Amino acid sequence: EPEVTQTPSHQVTQMGQEVILRCVPISNHLYFYWYRQILGQKVEFLVSFYNNEISEKSEIFDDQFSVERPDGSNFTLKIRSTKLEDSAMYFCASIALSSYEQYFGPGTRLTVT
Amino acid sequence: RKEVEQDPGPFNVPEGATVAFNCTYSNSASQSFFWYRQDCRKEPKLLMSVYSSGNEDGRFTAQLNRASQYISLLIRDSKLSDSATYLCVKGNFNKFYFGSGTKLNVKP
Repeated sequence: EPEVTQTPSHQVTQMGQEVILRCVPISNHLYFYWYRQILGQKVEFLVSFYNNEISEKSEIFDDQFSVERPDGSNFTLKIRSTKLEDSAMYFCASIALSSYEQYFGPGTRLTVT
Repeated sequence: RKEVEQDPGPFNVPEGATVAFNCTYSNSASQSFFWYRQDCRKEPKLLMSVYSSGNEDGRFTAQLNRASQYISLLIRDSKLSDSATYLCVKGNFNKFYFGSGTKLNVKP
């Protein structure tokens, strides 16, 4: 069964450093998403991406964040200058246009020290 | 009002019990509804979509009440493996809103 993959599974970084989280969505899916989940809290929408551009973004997704689909398979989330409060699990998800059913990757746990 | 609201629980039930969760929402225009399941420190996994006519998948039944703006999930004959957090979700292709989740503990 096809699945969404994410790397790395755990990233530790120092405050102020840039991080890039990587995702490979399911190959025939066309909508891509990033979410974050702070420990013990709910899943929060960050951004959606379709047709090589941002479709919608939340108020969390400020100028420190950017997304890219650099080739036909990868979908990345960059945080330019990490803050302590960026520590969270980051999930990538994708959808085929035939339904609204999202498939999530296993997540990257980001720890900012 | 929050986009999606759920009772956090926990719901502690014995094996074999029937348990029901509700979720209320606001701003339903052009939205679809879903139940996801999330195990501790894992990714959310789609349990089922929710249709206005109601839908069933094995032991799970979902209902959508647009007039009262709530959705429900009924789990019959609970199994130990049903222990998880159940997330109510609404959205369209552009954006999805997740509830905080309802924790279910099924005890032997």
